Amino acid sequence: KNQVEQSPQSLIILEGKNCTLQCNYTVSPFSNLRWYKQDTGRGPVSLTIMTFSENTKSNGRYTATLDADTKQSSLHITASQLSDSASYICVVANYGGSQGNLIFGKGTKLSVKP
Amino acid sequence: GAGVSQSPSNKVTEKGKDVELRCDPISGHTALYWYRQRLGQGLEFLIYFQGNSAPDKSGLPSDRFSAERTGESVSTLTIQRTQQEDSAVYLCASSLGQGVTYEQYFGPGTRLTVT
Repeated sequence: KNQVEQSPQSLIILEGKNCTLQCNYTVSPFSNLRWYKQDTGRGPVSLTIMTFSENTKSNGRYTATLDADTKQSSLHITASQLSDSASYICVVANYGGSQGNLIFGKGTKLSVKP
Repeated sequence: GAGVSQSPSNKVTEKGKDVELRCDPISGHTALYWYRQRLGQGLEFLIYFQGNSAPDKSGLPSDRFSAERTGESVSTLTIQRTQQEDSAVYLCASSLGQGVTYEQYFGPGTRLTVT
């Protein structure tokens, strides 16, 4: 069964600190992996998209990694800011599937405190 | 340019009533998706439209759910005889094409509460 699991479920950190969010998946055949940021009451916004051959991709203070062998990804946030408080969703796209081809994780809810 | 818009932003309805949710995709985007997000859960795919092709309805949870799209523009998601378990945020997304390499742009969602 195609699944995407994220950990931790929630996380509280102090402003200025770094953090890493995890994503494990069992999706086949794999096409790409995406990280989205979803602010409360808003739709998800894409942070990064990585294909099978990409190991790392950065977007400002956000750096995503992908290990296609172990089917794991992480999102590292550097020097966190209050505006980073949001849910971070890992999404894996697969070829040939229905469901619009995207499998969504439940997200990690990050709270950045001053 | 304008992003994906959805209306209403919030809808409270009584159990058994029908509701209609609207999505205006980004102009020029041929693919349009509907998702449901229950509290504390991941997004669930409902249906997608690609151009004039027959829509993929494989995610619709029951025959009470239906969706229409006029050409490559507005789409409406209709839920008939609403139940309390239909309470969720309904998100719409659009993309330039249908395929796993295309970026999906999401609207702000409609929060549906069935009392």
